Amino acid sequence: GENVEQHPSTLSVQEGDSAVIKCTYSDSASNYFPWYKQELGKRPQLIIDIRSNVGEKKDQRIAVTLNKTAKHFSLHITETQPEDSAVYFCAARTGNQFYFGTGTSLTVIP
Amino acid sequence: DAGVIQSPRHEVTEMGQEVTLRCKPISGHDYLFWYRQTMMRGLELLIYFNNNVPIDDSGMPEDRFSAKMPNASFSTLKIQPSEPRDSAVYFCASSPDGRGETQYFGPGTRLLVL
Repeated sequence: GENVEQHPSTLSVQEGDSAVIKCTYSDSASNYFPWYKQELGKRPQLIIDIRSNVGEKKDQRIAVTLNKTAKHFSLHITETQPEDSAVYFCAARTGNQFYFGTGTSLTVIP
Repeated sequence: DAGVIQSPRHEVTEMGQEVTLRCKPISGHDYLFWYRQTMMRGLELLIYFNNNVPIDDSGMPEDRFSAKMPNASFSTLKIQPSEPRDSAVYFCASSPDGRGETQYFGPGTRLLVL
């Protein structure tokens, strides 16, 4: 089955700096890659996603890039703010299944 | 719209008891997902339905777990008998799109099995 690895597990940045979280996957058949944000004690929320036929997608301060050859995709957050502090999960869809990374705890220091 | 509704929000039970978790998806959403989240294993997809029909249940850990969706507005996840290792947060999510990819999560049920 698919194996999704996520790095780093924790990340601290100064407010205003950029944050990058990277995920790798193993199954070349994976074709959909969402990113979720989960604040402490809250539910996961979809923040951005990308399909395998697209290399990059941007939504305001958030962007996702996909490298199908290398089988990795990354979340980029620019001009970070304290409210960006949360756990971020990547996922990959292969066939009927969704596989999640282990999460990255992002702390934005004011 | 009230979003995905889950009940109960918290459940404490003793080992061996039956536990039933409930979910009401967002009206009009054709997909419904059940997830489990623990510190050790992260977020795991247990089972999901499309138009009330189970599509993939390969994530269901064992026969003690069962899920049903008798109609478009209601689903249950049952654990019988429950064990301490079942303690987790169980999320339900629903999706309106044709592939079940844009998912909206409910608030979760925090289950503790003593």
